[in-house]
Amino acid sequence: DTEVTQTPKHLVMGMTNKKSLKCEQHMGHRAMYWYKQKAKKPPELMFVYSYEKLSINESVPSRFSPECPNSSLLNLHLHALQPEDSALYLCASSSVGEKLFFGSGTQLSVL
Amino acid sequence: AQSVTQLDSQVPVFEEAPVELRCNYSSSVSVYLFWYVQYPNQGLQLLLKYLSGSTLVKGINGFEAEFNKSQTSFHLRKPSVHISDTAEYFCAVRPFSGYALNFGKGTSLLVTP
Repeated sequence: DTEVTQTPKHLVMGMTNKKSLKCEQHMGHRAMYWYKQKAKKPPELMFVYSYEKLSINESVPSRFSPECPNSSLLNLHLHALQPEDSALYLCASSSVGEKLFFGSGTQLSVL
Repeated sequence: AQSVTQLDSQVPVFEEAPVELRCNYSSSVSVYLFWYVQYPNQGLQLLLKYLSGSTLVKGINGFEAEFNKSQTSFHLRKPSVHISDTAEYFCAVRPFSGYALNFGKGTSLLVTP
């Protein structure tokens, strides 16, 4: 299994909603990542978890809250988002020091 | 800190023609180099990577790239493109001791008949 699975594939939410994005991998990777990608732009790093501990937070607003419940799962909790947060959210995983495997992303629209 | 420059934002090319997508980087530390491809409405897929050793790296789908340390470049090439190669291509670097990738702005490859 060399896949990173993200759910849902599409999400529409209002600015007062609370929702969560989910990411799962079964490759034994101990590093997991959240990236945000706007249309026609490169992915921007948001968070990195290493061995289930948050190791990098790229000054992301607190309305985004990551969680790594175990070595296979990564969540991104969303609350009180703004329309400018609409983007493709990509999850990735890797062995430490190795190439990243990306999921197909969640396309998020905030109304 | 590292930075990646992809010199061309768009590259139009005819089917079966050769193509080169250019990538230059700067870094104060040693880095690994990657090319990723992103098809419409999909995530990123690794094309190839340079970690060490031979400077000519072969990847999937007939792509190859050459690492040039003196010119700090890692250009991507394919001798004959297909319509299905139409996609966004990202060059990326990662420090030896780091986790995360730093991406260039991307090059949109458009292959037409």
